Amino acid sequence: SAVISQKPSRDICQRGTSLTIQCQVDSQVTMMFWYRQQPGQSLTLIATANQGSEATYESGFVIDKFPISRPNLTFSTLTVSNMSPEDSSIYLCSVRQGEHAEAFFGQGTRLTVV
Amino acid sequence: LAKTTQPISMDSYEGQEVNITCSHNNIATNDYITWYQQFPSQGPRFIIQGYKTKVTNEVASLFIPADRKSSTLSLPRVSLSDTAVYYCLVGDKAAGNKLTFGGGTRVLVKP
Repeated sequence: SAVISQKPSRDICQRGTSLTIQCQVDSQVTMMFWYRQQPGQSLTLIATANQGSEATYESGFVIDKFPISRPNLTFSTLTVSNMSPEDSSIYLCSVRQGEHAEAFFGQGTRLTVV
Repeated sequence: LAKTTQPISMDSYEGQEVNITCSHNNIATNDYITWYQQFPSQGPRFIIQGYKTKVTNEVASLFIPADRKSSTLSLPRVSLSDTAVYYCLVGDKAAGNKLTFGGGTRVLVKP
């Protein structure tokens, strides 16, 4: 199993600013992912965080808006840049150890942009 | 990428069995079928995974027919605490093993 700590758990931010969300795992993991979940909706995959290289983004998400770092096998950050109210959502970090492996999720970061 | 289709919502009563069927007509040979449960204000949690036939654990059973184009999650004797959203996922090895979530089924258990 893997225990994931996400920080902050929630924040209220002014439009035009940026917020960096941290994801810390209690063990080394192969795969790390970032998701977004808007209220009452399903999860949407933002990107795969690759250790030591640029993240792989899904359609509709770009590095300038959502820069991601993954310096090692236990830690990743997601930055939401130049925020607008449309970025208000829950952002979740997820990890897997390999193909067919169970995925573990953090508790999420609830972001409100005003 | 295999797409999944499942009912938007289901209501049940305490003590009943809940069966949620998911369609995945384009499932690939190497893909497994996995179900996750999500409570409000929490991240999803793994329930069960299978490849074919039947899988059972302490929480649920998963039934997969021979053609693997669908699967049914069975929750025996549900309680109020089983009220949650249940997601059916089909893994995509070719795309880096990322998990793509469909709409999910919102299950409401009533007293």
